[in-house]
Amino acid sequence: EVQLVESGGGLVKSGGSLRLSCAASGFTFSSYAMNWVRQVPGKGPEWVSFISRSSNYIEYAESVKGRFTISRDNAKNSVSLQMNSLRAEDTAVYYCARLERDSVVIPAYGMDVWGQGTTVTVSS
Amino acid sequence: QSALTQSASVSGSPGQTITISCTGTNSDIGRYDYVSWYQQHPGRAPKLLIYDVRNRPSGASRRFSGSKSGNTAFLTISGLQPEDEADYFCSSYTTTNTLIFAGGTKLTVL
Repeated sequence: EVQLVESGGGLVKSGGSLRLSCAASGFTFSSYAMNWVRQVPGKGPEWVSFISRSSNYIEYAESVKGRFTISRDNAKNSVSLQMNSLRAEDTAVYYCARLERDSVVIPAYGMDVWGQGTTVTVSS
Repeated sequence: QSALTQSASVSGSPGQTITISCTGTNSDIGRYDYVSWYQQHPGRAPKLLIYDVRNRPSGASRRFSGSKSGNTAFLTISGLQPEDEADYFCSSYTTTNTLIFAGGTKLTVL
């Protein structure tokens, strides 16, 4: 079964750090680019970051640039999001998601596999 | 880059056809055919319905179709069913190499 499972969410104080992880299974992880997307309940999703299959192409939303770092370990079938200098407005459910075609270098494409999400709460 | 714009809600009766619109600019929807649509039920992750404006991924129902005109994209749902009641979001690639979403449309099946 194709699956993504996020972990690492929790409650953190403003200015603190968290590291989210996403474990992939059931497909050739190293062939696919990945996104992190977050969503405040009741609101639309917000794209956070993109990483290509080889980690050569990485993009961030302006709202997190300089504070968040995306990385992946193809040997461990995992993608991570290091979040520093957290703010109250970073509070959301964070999803990792697979782009629907392999070998892409831009975050343009639909996301066909999503994890269940992990909740990040930043207290001010 | 501002978010895309969708109407907050739409409703229809079983068997009817409804259309949800998603408006952007010539820096996103108007520039690229990289529009996707997602369905989200409460407490669940989004599910991809349409990618590249009009393509359905394997497993997506043929009752869902997508199109685009200028800076606006459309999701049409035909033969409405009770299980279609959900939130629907569009997304688009942008000229700043980012992805933006809309705030979503809540579909109520009467």
